[in-house]
Amino acid sequence: QSALTQPASVSGSPGQSITISCTGTSSDVGSYNLVSWYQQHPGKAPKLMIYEGSKRPSGISNRFSGSKSGNTASLTISGLQAEDEADYYCCSYADSSTLNWVFGGGTKLTVL
Amino acid sequence: QITLKESGPTLVKPTQTLTLTCTFSGFSLSTSGVGVGWIRQPPGKALEWLALIYWDDDKRYRPSLKSRLTITKDTSKNQVVLTMTNMDPVDTATYYCAHSYDTRDDFDHWGQGTLVTVSS
Repeated sequence: QSALTQPASVSGSPGQSITISCTGTSSDVGSYNLVSWYQQHPGKAPKLMIYEGSKRPSGISNRFSGSKSGNTASLTISGLQAEDEADYYCCSYADSSTLNWVFGGGTKLTVL
Repeated sequence: QITLKESGPTLVKPTQTLTLTCTFSGFSLSTSGVGVGWIRQPPGKALEWLALIYWDDDKRYRPSLKSRLTITKDTSKNQVVLTMTNMDPVDTATYYCAHSYDTRDDFDHWGQGTLVTVSS
């Protein structure tokens, strides 16, 4: 089972919107509405930002949104702020006969 | 408030067995649906799921590491233990434990992580 494919880096200016893609297969992203997204600042533990594809945990800003089309999930951050600069990882539940959870390779978001 | 904390050795020698303990509070591993997983992250690299144990003792392992991993729980102590045998320098990573639910399959609360270095 390969990792989900994410762009290595994205960037945007404060106030702009950016989208991070996460491409999997019909065995993971395409089969389950169980994609989650994590934000990780340097030296810190990951933090859940989106679960079940598009739901936000309590306390997460509505500037963060998630969606899915086919085998590709996306995370959109609107109204970029300096504190959004971090690494972002997607994760999908996968066919339990192969690999139960598969993460993406991570995307470094730079706020210009 | 859910909290988790990893503990264990910071340095292990090649071929040795690593034992990590996740001590948690704010939930019980005897509650239906609850799970605790282990995820690791080599320095400068991506997250990698390793194993997960559910409230009913259902255990899941990363297929490529299944022969080396064992996950167990001690409900009375609020602890989950991960053992990994035959450690290699490529296993050098920060190891995290995290809380999960079987209906959502995400990791909603994470420990701070513990860096394990494999070196002779």
